[in-house]
Amino acid sequence: QSALTQPASVSGSPGQSITISCTGTSSDVGAYNYVSWYQQHPAKAPKLMIYDVSNRPSGVSNRFSGSKSGNTASLTISGLQAEDEADYYCGSYTTSITYVFGTGTKVTVL
Amino acid sequence: QVQLQESGPGLVKPSETLSLTCTVSGYSISSGYYWGWIRQPPGKGLEWIGTVYHDGTTYRNPSLKSRVTISVDTSKNQFSLKVTSVTAADTAVYYCARGAGGSGFSPGYWGQGTLVTVSP
Repeated sequence: QSALTQPASVSGSPGQSITISCTGTSSDVGAYNYVSWYQQHPAKAPKLMIYDVSNRPSGVSNRFSGSKSGNTASLTISGLQAEDEADYYCGSYTTSITYVFGTGTKVTVL
Repeated sequence: QVQLQESGPGLVKPSETLSLTCTVSGYSISSGYYWGWIRQPPGKGLEWIGTVYHDGTTYRNPSLKSRVTISVDTSKNQFSLKVTSVTAADTAVYYCARGAGGSGFSPGYWGQGTLVTVSP
């Protein structure tokens, strides 16, 4: 299985909104509404930010939102803050009953 | 609040077997959920290794399937990972996690991770 495709880097100024894309195939992202997003700060374990395309776990800021269209999912961070600077990964359940992560995106707050 | 903690040797020799255990607290594995292993080579992205259901049913990454065994011990509230015939490419931080979401496979609660280095 191939990793889902994400842009290597995205940047924005404080207060702005940014969107990270996650492109897969009809066998993963496009197959089900089972796409998740993870935030990882340096030397820390990843943290689940969005699950099932657009659901936020308890405690996650509503500045984080997710969506999906066809084989591409997106994570939008609104009102960008310095603490949002981190690596972000998408992940998807697949039709082969496996799981696949994205290539990862480094978010920089200018 | 569920908590997960990985444990095992931090150094493994090439061609030998890597063995890790994840101890779960705050939740009984036998009550349900999927339980997974993920790894991250230094400076690289996340890779799903595999997932085990509380009844012992396992699902593995096709690229690692022939070398990976995942098992669950409900009496100890632990699940384990074995990777055989390791090489330097298996050097990574290994995470265990509890599944979340509708599929159950999305890692929700994560352990802190443990670095395993493959070196002579």
